[in-house]
Amino acid sequence: EVQLVESGGSLVQPGRSLRLSCSASGFTFGDYPMSWVRQAPGKGLEWVGFIRNKAYGGTTQYVASVKGRFTISRDDSKSIAYLQMNSLKTEDTAVYYCTRGDVLSDYWGQGTLVTVSS
Amino acid sequence: EIVMTQSPATLSVSPGERATLSCRASQSVSTNLAWYQQKPGQAPRLLIYGASTRATGIPARFSASGSGTEFTLTISSLQSEDFAFYYCQQYDKWPWTFGQGTKVEIK
Repeated sequence: EVQLVESGGSLVQPGRSLRLSCSASGFTFGDYPMSWVRQAPGKGLEWVGFIRNKAYGGTTQYVASVKGRFTISRDDSKSIAYLQMNSLKTEDTAVYYCTRGDVLSDYWGQGTLVTVSS
Repeated sequence: EIVMTQSPATLSVSPGERATLSCRASQSVSTNLAWYQQKPGQAPRLLIYGASTRATGIPARFSASGSGTEFTLTISSLQSEDFAFYYCQQYDKWPWTFGQGTKVEIK
């Protein structure tokens, strides 16, 4: 059974950093690209970015609103994907979902809440 | 970026009735269109990809069609578990973008 479990969400002040983790199981992690999708409270969905698997160069792509501040990485030996978030803004407040895929998300984690507030 | 617009914002339907949801793209996305279902407090679930192909395990009462800029999701006979939010998503041009969602509620 495919499982994705996010962790690391918390309350953080504007301008600070936070790293989210996504622990995967139930599939060969290294064979799949991974994404992060967020949802602000009571709002719709926004695709934050993705990282391709090594066979496709492990390249990354980010939405403009986070480019230069957020970094997605992966550790295939541990089956974990990461989202490093720097220079956080209040508008980054959201539930962050880890998903499998770079174009479509066929499996989602339960999400982790990041609240950016002073 | 491509703007996805869903209508209506809220759809009130009685159990057993048919529901038709619309999604429009600001420019052609070919058939690079997906639909997701999200229930309160849960993560979204992939329903449809390629504009009309049901994802694994999705019941046949869910069907979808369209290409270019106009897309439709139809639920042929609403079951209690189908009352939820529905989002369309284009994956033709980065950044992938979602519509604002349609809430399907019990009439």
